[in-house]
Amino acid sequence: GAVVSQHPSRVICKSGTSVKIECRSLDFQATTMFWYRQFPKQSLMLMATSNEGSKATYEQGVEKDKFLINHASLTLSTLTVTSAHPEDSSFYICSARDYRTSGVQFFGPGTRLTVL
Amino acid sequence: GEDVEQSLFLSVREGDSSVINCTYTDSSSTYLYWYKQEPGAGLQLLTYIFSNMDMKQDQRLTVLLNKKDKHLSLRIADTQTGDSAIYFCAESIGGSQGNLIFGKGTKLSVKP
Repeated sequence: GAVVSQHPSRVICKSGTSVKIECRSLDFQATTMFWYRQFPKQSLMLMATSNEGSKATYEQGVEKDKFLINHASLTLSTLTVTSAHPEDSSFYICSARDYRTSGVQFFGPGTRLTVL
Repeated sequence: GEDVEQSLFLSVREGDSSVINCTYTDSSSTYLYWYKQEPGAGLQLLTYIFSNMDMKQDQRLTVLLNKKDKHLSLRIADTQTGDSAIYFCAESIGGSQGNLIFGKGTKLSVKP
């Protein structure tokens, strides 16, 4: 299957700082990538849809000024958590849509963010 | 609204078959998926089935789809301890290019 990577896998930061998470499709081009958030022992919550070359589409209740998404190329989308607070601590997972396989979403390994 | 329901826990003995069930609500779903998540990891696509199919088999995995009842199941034959994980059922809303709606996940525990 298609391979999606995320970097970093784990980050610990102080409250008030900004953190950037990268999501890359390694062996295919992805015009659409997705960002999810997962709380412990819960399912995935879609935060936003990232489209290459255009603005991201945010789900209801997700602050676009706090979670900045940039999809500058067909293989890279970034999520920046600005002015992070402890309540932003979570597991962030990205996925990329592979149109070679009917639009199936392949997921990255996730990034564990801990805000102190 | 759209909803995907799964039982939260399943425990089986090594070597037995596991059956994880899922119900969904969107009758227009064209693709239904099963993902596996191990602790601290992302989601691994196990298999998916197109809505015009009733069954799909891939090695130890068998997916059954009852479109009339909007019921999806994943059977794992000869379950191994390495199969212990959380299994998520997901439906794509609005066609194959739509967003995914996930169930809460079924935690499969395999006892030796």
